[in-house]
Amino acid sequence: KAGVTQTPRYLIKTRGQQVTLSCSPISGHRSVSWYQQTPGQGLQFLFEYFSETQRNKGNFPGRFSGRQFSNSRSEMNVSTLELGDSALYLCASSLTTLRSPFFGPGTRLTVL
Amino acid sequence: GEDVEQSLFLSVREGDSSVINCTYTDSSSTYLYWYKQEPGAGLQLLTYIFSNMDMKQDQRLTVLLNKKDKHLSLRIADTQTGDSAIYFCAESTNDYKLSFGAGTTVTVRA
Repeated sequence: KAGVTQTPRYLIKTRGQQVTLSCSPISGHRSVSWYQQTPGQGLQFLFEYFSETQRNKGNFPGRFSGRQFSNSRSEMNVSTLELGDSALYLCASSLTTLRSPFFGPGTRLTVL
Repeated sequence: GEDVEQSLFLSVREGDSSVINCTYTDSSSTYLYWYKQEPGAGLQLLTYIFSNMDMKQDQRLTVLLNKKDKHLSLRIADTQTGDSAIYFCAESTNDYKLSFGAGTTVTVRA
């Protein structure tokens, strides 16, 4: 069974631009969550989706948004990029509730 | 609220056992996890324990949970150079998110 896939793996953007990251969960997994990892703040929860519904959202500004499609694939969008948005963005999937979430390899976003 | 703490560094000799400790504060935690992260990679789920268990063993890994003290530990037997990585403790509650510790960097020396 294929693992969680994230595209693209690396991305370089400039301040003020927007970016869309994609996550394909493990087949059959319906819960997808997103995390931001930075050296200063560690791993922080962004949001979680199940059956196209956002069930929880972390303490991030409204520039960070996400969605989930009917096939459970998820995207997150960051608008008006800031230098501080440079991070590794990780996606995780699990069957239903948050039990044994499996993570993808991440998307490394660099904002210049 | 949630707050997960871990020591930041651990150095261990190859062949010895490693013990990584973690404390958490949310008494409503349902599952507690250990993840491993190697340089440039995502998080690899190593093992997890349900909050009503005291211990779980999986090959070289042993997880101990002291729910009264909110203390979790991961023991790696016969530590190898491939075990050098950052190890994260995480807890999940009923609000569909994981709260992570800052990570323990384990260095295995020959």
